[in-house]
Amino acid sequence: EVQLVESGGGLVQPGGSLRLSCAASGFIVSTNYMSWVRQAPGKGLEWVSTLYSDGRTYYADSVKGRFTVSGDNSKNTLYLQMNSLRDEDTAVYYCARDPFSNGWYDFWGQGTLVTVSS
Amino acid sequence: DIVMTQSPDSLAVSLGERATINCKSSQSVFYSSNNKNYLAWYQQKPGQPPKLLIYWASTRESGVPDRFSGSGSGTDFTLTISSLQAEDVAVYYCQQYYTTPFTFGPGTKVDIK
Repeated sequence: EVQLVESGGGLVQPGGSLRLSCAASGFIVSTNYMSWVRQAPGKGLEWVSTLYSDGRTYYADSVKGRFTVSGDNSKNTLYLQMNSLRDEDTAVYYCARDPFSNGWYDFWGQGTLVTVSS
Repeated sequence: DIVMTQSPDSLAVSLGERATINCKSSQSVFYSSNNKNYLAWYQQKPGQPPKLLIYWASTRESGVPDRFSGSGSGTDFTLTISSLQAEDVAVYYCQQYYTTPFTFGPGTKVDIK
């Protein structure tokens, strides 16, 4: 059974850092395209970043230079290192699997809430 | 970036009646080389992550009830729920995956009348 479990969210001050984790089971993270998508409270969905199976990474302009996506094959886990956090980064962060490298997401984690506030 | 818009913002439909949600992209998401529209639909219930319903604009994901159908091409797309059930109350999002950044519509909330 495919499962994605995010962790690492919490309250952080503006300018601070957090690292989110997404532990996968039922499939191999490194052979799939994996993305982070966020949802601000009461708002819609915003794509944040994608880690391709060949190691390439892509970022939304809003997070480029501040966020870094990576994977650990030994732990079958996806990460999102978030630095220089801003108020507008407050959101639930979901990891999601792109099963055929086409761009749609067939499995999503339950999400982890990141709150940036002083 | 491709901007996705949806209409209406919300709608209320009687149980058993048809619900229709529209999605429009700011540029075509049709790729002529493979004759496919790079458009997906998701359902999100309160407190839950999005669930994939439709991809390639009209291909239903495995396990999705056949009352959900997608149509359209180019820049204009529709998600239809042919006979609304109580469990269909949710927000529905369209997403283009034609080009990065992949972008979502703002969502349409569906309720029971």
